[in-house]
Amino acid sequence: EPEVTQTPSHQVTQMGQEVILRCVPISNHLYFYWYRQILGQKVEFLVSFYNNEISEKSEIFDDQFSVERPDGSNFTLKIRSTKLEDSAMYFCASRGDSKPQHFGDGTRLSIL
Amino acid sequence: KQEVTQIPAALSVPEGENLVLNCSFTDSAIYNLQWFRQDPGKGLTSLLLIQSSQREQTSGRLNASLDKSSGRSTLYIAASQPGDSATYLCAVWTGNQFYFGTGTSLTVIP
Repeated sequence: EPEVTQTPSHQVTQMGQEVILRCVPISNHLYFYWYRQILGQKVEFLVSFYNNEISEKSEIFDDQFSVERPDGSNFTLKIRSTKLEDSAMYFCASRGDSKPQHFGDGTRLSIL
Repeated sequence: KQEVTQIPAALSVPEGENLVLNCSFTDSAIYNLQWFRQDPGKGLTSLLLIQSSQREQTSGRLNASLDKSSGRSTLYIAASQPGDSATYLCAVWTGNQFYFGTGTSLTVIP
C-alpha cells in the first residue's frame, strides 16, 4: 500500500537555525497537510495545501513557517530561526478527493 | 473553537476484555470523525472514519459510533489483545482541518 514518507526521522538543530522537513505524499493525492505534536500534547494542525497554494493555516503557522511543493513529489515545511518551543514531532499527511488522510511516521525535531 | 476531549487518559485491561474509549467534541458542525492509533515514535494509523451522516462503522474487532447532536463518539474494542496496546486518538474534521483529542493510552496485559 502506498505510504507517506517523511525525512529525516530525527533532526537536531541549533536554536536560531533554519530547518527544512521533507515529505513525499502518496503520488495521486492532491491535498497536503502539516501537523505537529509537542511531547505530551495534542496533535495540532499547522497548514493545508492544495493546487500549489495554502488553503488553510492555523494561528501557529506564522511568518516563521512556510511550505512549498518544489517539484511533483516533495512537500516541504521550512521553519526559520528555530526556537526551543519548536521542538516537536512534525507529521505530514496527504489525501485524495473525498478520501481519509494518510499520515507519515513523522520527523522528530529537537532544538538545542 | 472546536475542543475535543478523550476519556479516560489511560486505561489498562487484561487480555480478552472488551473496552470502550470515549471522545467528545464541542461543536457538532463536523464533516466526519476519525479514530487513529498511534504507536510510540510512530505516525498515525487511521482505524475508522465515520461520516457526519453515519451512526457507526465497524472494522474487525473495532466498532465506532457517532452521536453528532450530543457531540460524542465511542470506540469499542472487542476481545482485546496485547497488540492493541497503543494510544488511540479521535479527531473531528471540520472541512478545513482536524481537531485532535489528547488520546487514550491503552495497555492490554497478557
